[in-house]
Amino acid sequence: DAEITQSPRHKITETGRQVTLACHQTWNHNNMFWYRQDLGHGLRLIHYSYGVQDTNKGEVSDGYSVSRSNTEDLPLTLESAASSQTSVYFCASSPGTDRRETQYFGPGTRLLVL
Amino acid sequence: QKEVEQDPGPLSVPEGAIVSLNCTYSNSAFQYFMWYRQYSRKGPELLMYTYSSGNKEDGRFTAQVDKSSKYISLFIRDSQPSDSATYLCAMGGNQAGTALIFGKGTTLSVSS
Repeated sequence: DAEITQSPRHKITETGRQVTLACHQTWNHNNMFWYRQDLGHGLRLIHYSYGVQDTNKGEVSDGYSVSRSNTEDLPLTLESAASSQTSVYFCASSPGTDRRETQYFGPGTRLLVL
Repeated sequence: QKEVEQDPGPLSVPEGAIVSLNCTYSNSAFQYFMWYRQYSRKGPELLMYTYSSGNKEDGRFTAQVDKSSKYISLFIRDSQPSDSATYLCAMGGNQAGTALIFGKGTTLSVSS
């Protein structure tokens, strides 16, 4: 079955380290998104992509970067991890067709920055 | 005023109760309205999807959109303990693939 996966599911890192979170979808969706979810803030958009080689900044993009070299993957990189980036990170994708606004979410990655 | 407002709760009801969850929004360009359900330590999953105004029913769930009032609702009939979760409203404009704006979520607990 088609799906969206994230890895790792849990990650502990230290301040200042570079961290990359993986997102892989097998639906062949054009659109992919990264969110972070924090208590009191809900889901906030970090970066998104409408297709290969396309990336866009979201509401809370500072300190994060993404690249889209193929349809299936949108890795999220924390250039220099900070304690404020401790959060749960969700990747999502949407097809960009009739129900184009429906987004399908991965299981999440819990990141702790010490 | 935030684009999407949602009461975080928590909301506690007995099994069998009718539950009403609501969101208000300020952007009149929103055309797509969704409700996601998120169980603890899981990703959000799409529950209901509505385009423009009107009602949509799916089993025990009914979604309503009132664009004139900028108000959306999710009703759960005959609530079950398995409905205990956080419910997120989400909405977006008419442009393909545009990012959704999410409410902060309402936590619902249904006791048996």
